[in-house]
Amino acid sequence: GAVVSQHPSRVICKSGTSVKIECRSLDFQATTMFWYRQFPKQSLMLMATSNEGSKATYEQGVEKDKFLINHASLTLSTLTVTSAHPEDSSFYICSARSRGGNEQFFGPGTRLTVL
Amino acid sequence: DAKTTQPPSMDCAEGRAANLPCNHSTISGNEYVYWYRQIHSQGPQYIIHGLKNNETNEMASLIITEDRKSSTLILPHATLRDTAVYYCIVEDGGSNYKLTFGKGTLLTVNP
Repeated sequence: GAVVSQHPSRVICKSGTSVKIECRSLDFQATTMFWYRQFPKQSLMLMATSNEGSKATYEQGVEKDKFLINHASLTLSTLTVTSAHPEDSSFYICSARSRGGNEQFFGPGTRLTVL
Repeated sequence: DAKTTQPPSMDCAEGRAANLPCNHSTISGNEYVYWYRQIHSQGPQYIIHGLKNNETNEMASLIITEDRKSSTLILPHATLRDTAVYYCIVEDGGSNYKLTFGKGTLLTVNP
């Protein structure tokens, strides 16, 4: 089946630093990638949608200058959390959809802890 | 996208069938029903999806009522590894295939 990877799986950083999370589709071309975050005991919340070669579309309330998304190729999207603060600590999950496909395939998630 | 309603939790005995219900009474004609599950601290896993007809794959079966206002996900022989939160989502593709996750059903499979 379709495999999506994320790197790193866990990251701890100091407040004020920036963190980059990578999302890769390993065995298919992802025309659309999605970024979600999940706080403890809550459901996934969509942050943004990105199509290859286009600017990401952010959900209401998500700061595009704080959460930078790059989808430069059909197999890679990156999320950069800039000037991270403790309230940004969360589980960040990406998913990918291939052209013509209905399903989204999810990565294993990245747990970010900001001290 | 149409909203879904699921029970917050269910229990099932190992080896028995697990039947997870979902109400989507406001579903429109071009919206699909998707099921995903999330095991603790992992990314969601796609299970199955359907539009009108019942569907079956190696993981589960999806039964959609004739009026499409509800559906049931069936895990035919639940194992302990099936313990997870199960999400029922409706989506029409028109919104760039965005998925809106509700709270889902926590299925606990007991030995």
